Amino acid sequence: DAGVTQSPTHLIKTRGQQVTLRCSPKSGHDTVSWYQQALGQGPQFIFQYYEEEERQRGNFPDRFSGHQFPNYSSELNVNALLLGDSALYLCASSPQGALGYEQYFGPGTRLTVT
Amino acid sequence: DAKTTQPNSMESNEEEPVHLPCNHSTISGTDYIHWYRQLPSQGPEYVIHGLTSNVNNRMASLAIAEDRKSSTLILHRATLRDAAVYYCILDGGSQGNLIFGKGTKLSVKP
Repeated sequence: DAGVTQSPTHLIKTRGQQVTLRCSPKSGHDTVSWYQQALGQGPQFIFQYYEEEERQRGNFPDRFSGHQFPNYSSELNVNALLLGDSALYLCASSPQGALGYEQYFGPGTRLTVT
Repeated sequence: DAKTTQPNSMESNEEEPVHLPCNHSTISGTDYIHWYRQLPSQGPEYVIHGLTSNVNNRMASLAIAEDRKSSTLILHRATLRDAAVYYCILDGGSQGNLIFGKGTKLSVKP
């Protein structure tokens, strides 16, 4: 079992550009959540996808959008990048209706905006 | 969601027990107490969770105060691989929307 995988591992973008991050959930999981982790801080919830729809959303602007595919994999898109978007972006997967302890996190994508 | 309070950092010696405290004075009756840890350059990983009773698993033990306003994560014999940031999280059934604080950075000395 490969667990949660994310790609790419690192990337560097310029302010104003757009970025797409990808996540494949753990086998058997159908729900994907995305988190942003700034340096020295705990992860912050961005949104969650289930059945190809956004089910919950944290306090993030519309520049952050996502998508879930029929195979449960997911993408996180960020438009009009700001320097403050530099962070580690984490994907977590879980079975539908799972409680907090059933979240499995990927290793993250480190995004640097210059 | 209710908040938790943890020390910013703690130190331990290898092979000694470690007690990581967490205060959650505004916990509600349906909130589970979860502990996750984040090793360097990795995503968070689940450690243990409980509701009212003390819990044990292969990684750690969780001691929950009788009034549930505090809890303690116990690593029975710290190893160098246990050096990580430990997060105490309350979850009232959010189905995935975990609210992380800054956690406690545990350093383990050989």
